[in-house]
Amino acid sequence: DAGVTQSPTHLIKTRGQHVTLRCSPISGHKSVSWYQQVLGQGPQFIFQYYEKEERGRGNFPDRFSARQFPNYSSELNVNALLLGDSALYLCASSLVTQVTLYTEAFFGQGTRLTVV
Amino acid sequence: GQNIDQPTEMTATEGAIVQINCTYQTSGFNGLFWYQQHAGEAPTFLSYNVLDGLEEKGRFSSFLSRSKGYSYLLLKELQMKDSASYLCAVRDRDNYGQNFVFGPGTRLSVLP
Repeated sequence: DAGVTQSPTHLIKTRGQHVTLRCSPISGHKSVSWYQQVLGQGPQFIFQYYEKEERGRGNFPDRFSARQFPNYSSELNVNALLLGDSALYLCASSLVTQVTLYTEAFFGQGTRLTVV
Repeated sequence: GQNIDQPTEMTATEGAIVQINCTYQTSGFNGLFWYQQHAGEAPTFLSYNVLDGLEEKGRFSSFLSRSKGYSYLLLKELQMKDSASYLCAVRDRDNYGQNFVFGPGTRLSVLP
């Protein structure tokens, strides 16, 4: 079975540019979350989507946006890139239903973004 | 506010037992999770606790005290492959929300 897949795996961008990161959840998972992990730190929550609706937003500027598509895949967009946006961006999917509220998140391999 | 504390680094010997502590203060609580992350890889789920007490899964056990805002991960019979970062995370939402607040991670080095 395919796990959470993210693309691209690595990316180098210049300050001020825009980037789009993509995520495909595990089949049957309707919840997708995005996290930013700076080297040496734990992941920081950016967004969560469930059934194509935004369900949560972390403390990130409006330059960060996301959406979820009818097939439950998701995109994370970051505009006007700053050097500080360099990080590993992780996507996680969860099987969240009325019965299974307490479920773990399954993480993709991440996209390593470097802003120069 | 949201605050999760873990030791930054720990070292242990192969075959030994190690306990990684985690304390938390979060605005919401719907479960405490432990993840393992090898360098350059994605976090992988180890265990979670919703109620107070001990959960055992093979060589790994996790304990939770909600009144004390405290958890620990116990690793037994350490192996070299257990060298990794261990992330403590609190699930902060309910009703389809899945917001995990992560601690900084504890980097464990297992020595021969």
